[in-house]
Amino acid sequence: QKEVEQNSGPLSVPEGAIASLNCTYSDRGSQSFFWYRQYSGKSPELIMFIYSNGDKEDGRFTAQLNKASQYVSLLIRDSQPSDSATYLCAVIAAGGTSYGKLTFGQGTILTVHP
Amino acid sequence: SAVISQKPSRDICQRGTSLTIQCQVDSQVTMMFWYRQQPGQSLTLIATANQGSEATYESGFVIDKFPISRPNLTFSTLTVSNMSPEDSSIYLCSVTDRRAAEAFFGQGTRLTVV
Repeated sequence: QKEVEQNSGPLSVPEGAIASLNCTYSDRGSQSFFWYRQYSGKSPELIMFIYSNGDKEDGRFTAQLNKASQYVSLLIRDSQPSDSATYLCAVIAAGGTSYGKLTFGQGTILTVHP
Repeated sequence: SAVISQKPSRDICQRGTSLTIQCQVDSQVTMMFWYRQQPGQSLTLIATANQGSEATYESGFVIDKFPISRPNLTFSTLTVSNMSPEDSSIYLCSVTDRRAAEAFFGQGTRLTVV
């Protein structure tokens, strides 16, 4: 089982719709969860991070974390064509030898079509 | 937050040669991380660069192939040695904040080996 798994893509949504991206993780000791957006040929850029159960909202983006279910999601409201990118879920372990290391999911390609 | 300057941004290299990638951070950080992103893949951790001690390598990565230096708390280098076309990837350096609650990336080095 992969340590961080994302829903298989690619995901295609119409402009203005809600895009839902999902991620599960295997390490119950994970403490921080990140969503990165990566445009082709560019470095990942941080969209949001979350470490408490519940929802965290930032503009059109909402991250949801459920530690009991080991599940984190990202909702993009009013999707725009400029949101078309690969979205990476990443997790930082709580401590020990993994402290500070990011483990990434395989990424989900999102396409927002006009 | 941390600002990371990584160079070169891209390079095309002949097989059998070596390339050294530099990463400069605008603040002192305990740990720096080096990741690789092969074409169409997610990010994979190569090693953790520790100041004052040898780097810690992940499974599948060895010091002879990816020697790392960490002379101080703001700088690190990764060398890709004896390159082959399979080494063509984006290489990224990263740091996390003290609480490991947020991670920051350099701009990435896009390496093509011909």
